Amino acid sequence: GQQVMQIPQYQHVQEGEDFTTYCNSSTTLSNIQWYKQRPGGHPVFLIQLVKSGEVKKQKRLTFQFGEAKKNSSLHITATQTTDVGTYFCAGVTGGGNKLTFGTGTQLKVEL
Amino acid sequence: DADVTQTPRNRITKTGKRIMLECSQTKGHDRMYWYRQDPGLGLRLIYYSFDVKDINKGEISDGYSVSRQAQAKFSLSLESAIPNQTALYFCATSDPARGAGVRGTQYFGPGTRLTVL
Repeated sequence: GQQVMQIPQYQHVQEGEDFTTYCNSSTTLSNIQWYKQRPGGHPVFLIQLVKSGEVKKQKRLTFQFGEAKKNSSLHITATQTTDVGTYFCAGVTGGGNKLTFGTGTQLKVEL
Repeated sequence: DADVTQTPRNRITKTGKRIMLECSQTKGHDRMYWYRQDPGLGLRLIYYSFDVKDINKGEISDGYSVSRQAQAKFSLSLESAIPNQTALYFCATSDPARGAGVRGTQYFGPGTRLTVL
């Protein structure tokens, strides 16, 4: 079955440092979504990427979808304590509406 | 998301007991999902339902069953709970795309933390 892996599993940064998490799928995706889960909370939708090579930005967050539509990345510039949480990618294959979630990257930001 | 509620929020039970987790939504979405979350494993799909008469197994359905009582309600049952079912369980809904909106965005409930002793 489809597998979606994320690296790293954990990342501990100093406030102000950059952070990147990578997402890799075993199959080609029709689109990819990113979610953020704050400690003790539930996943919340951040963004969706659909096109090959697409890049989207949300303030300090930059999301990319690979040319082959099998990988994606999330980059945070100048992390803040509010960025703490676990970031998940989730891939959709074909015409389905069923998401396969990645394993997640837990980000901790130290002052 | 306050539009998706789960009960109970926390539950401790014993091995062999039957337990039901309930999910209700006021978003008017047809599609509902049950996931479990374990550290390092992300979110794994247990069951999903695209409308009231539709039930589908996810990747880890063994040991679980579901009931879609109405468009707004989707329950998950553990017929005979075992310790390795200790996890955080999330219900989610999605809308199969309308117009220019995102496709398949999932809206999660607050979660139920289940401990099986």
